[in-house]
Amino acid sequence: AQTVTQSQPEMSVQEAETVTLSCTYDTSESDYYLFWYKQPPSRQMILVIRQEAYKQQNATENRFSVNFQKAAKSFSLKISDSQLGDAAMYFCAYRSLNAGNMLTFGGGTRLMVKP
Amino acid sequence: DVKVTQSSRYLVKRTGEKVFLECVQDMDHENMFWYRQDPGLGLRLIYFSYDVKMKEKGDIPEGYSVSREKKERFSLILESASTNQTSMYLCASLGQPYEQYFGPGTRLTVT
Repeated sequence: AQTVTQSQPEMSVQEAETVTLSCTYDTSESDYYLFWYKQPPSRQMILVIRQEAYKQQNATENRFSVNFQKAAKSFSLKISDSQLGDAAMYFCAYRSLNAGNMLTFGGGTRLMVKP
Repeated sequence: DVKVTQSSRYLVKRTGEKVFLECVQDMDHENMFWYRQDPGLGLRLIYFSYDVKMKEKGDIPEGYSVSREKKERFSLILESASTNQTSMYLCASLGQPYEQYFGPGTRLTVT
């Protein structure tokens, strides 16, 4: 079974600065998806960014980018020019292509943004 | 926009009660999921359904059952609620090809 580990329970960043959230995972598969989800306080979880394992190029969505290191099984999220609205719980998730459509989540990282 | 709604945001029940949590999606998605969210543990899959009347156990199905009589509705049932089922429950549906859309969550307290 796959496992996903987020080693930082909490992170803090100054507004307008850059922060990186860490995620590692364990799998024996070669094809899979990785995701970062954001859960703002009292609001619904939304998808931030995804990465297909077969793609070498790191995914980017506006201020959000990932550093995908397949051999190291690492998938970190970089948030540039942090904004107050980025404050949330962030979850890293893994989806196997061989085991249905289930997601395996990490424990989450709470990001605080200081004005 | 995809909409996933859950019947209650907050729920307080007594030990031993039967509890129904309902989830409705409006995008004709085939796959739906129930997770529970606990601090430090992230989201853990309880059950999922890939079609009407079809269900599969997730990682932590003990103490729960599900029902999917219509495509848009997926219900989570706690047959006899216990205090260790106090948690946040999240429903999701799967759009193609990969994105899960989440409901707002139900915070259940069992006393």
